[in-house]
Amino acid sequence: AQSVTQPDIHITVSEGASLELRCNYSYGATPYLFWYVQSPGQGLQLLLKYFSGDTLVQGIKGFEAEFKRSQSSFNLRKPSVHWSDAAEYFCAVGASNTGKLIFGQGTTLQVKP
Amino acid sequence: ETGVTQSPTHLIKTRGQQVTLRCSSQSGHNTVSWYQQALGQGPQFIFQYYREEENGRGNFPPRFSGLQFPNYSSELNVNALELDDSALYLCASSPRPGEGNEQFFGPGTRLTVL
Repeated sequence: AQSVTQPDIHITVSEGASLELRCNYSYGATPYLFWYVQSPGQGLQLLLKYFSGDTLVQGIKGFEAEFKRSQSSFNLRKPSVHWSDAAEYFCAVGASNTGKLIFGQGTTLQVKP
Repeated sequence: ETGVTQSPTHLIKTRGQQVTLRCSSQSGHNTVSWYQQALGQGPQFIFQYYREEENGRGNFPPRFSGLQFPNYSSELNVNALELDDSALYLCASSPRPGEGNEQFFGPGTRLTVL
C-alpha cells in the first residue's frame, strides 16, 4: 500500500543551524513527491516538488530536498534555519489518476533563539 | 489571481447534526479535492471532484458527500455528525486531476463537534 512515513514527530534546532527532516515513502511506481509547510491556523503551502529529472530539487524559502530511490527517501534540508521556519512540515506522495496526496504524519519544527 | 478560499473559518455543531462547508477554487482550476486533518495528524483524502463529477474517494463513509458547481466551487456535506468528525477540513484545487498536478490549498474550516 502507498504510504509516507515521517520518523521525527518533533524537532528542535537553534536559529542559524542546519536542518534535515526525514521522509520515507512506499509507492510502486516512480513517485511524485511534495513537501508542504503549515503554520498555525493556516492551510498548506507547497515548499517544493519532485516529479522527475534532477534528484536534488530547490524550493522556496531556501529549502531543498533530495530524492533517493534506493532508500525510498525524500529528505528536506535547509542550511540555516530562521525563527520564522517554525511550523509543521508534511511530506506527501501524489497517487493514482486523481493525484490525491498521501501525507505523512508531519514533523513539528521548533526553532530556538 | 485569487487563491483558494473556504467558508466558514470555524464551525461548532452537535452530534447528529449536518454541516456544509464551502470552497472556492483558484481561477482556472477545474479539480477540487477535500481533505480531513485531525489534530496532530496529516491530512487524509476524502474525495475529489472533476468537472462536477466525483473522481475518486478515500476511505470515508457515505455520510460524507460533495458537490461541484459549474463555476468549479465546491461543497462538502457531512450528515449525522460524530465526535470524531472534529477536524480541520481542507480544500485544494488543481488545474486538472493527476499525480503531477500541484494542489493549492485553502486555509481550511475548523469543525468542532460537541
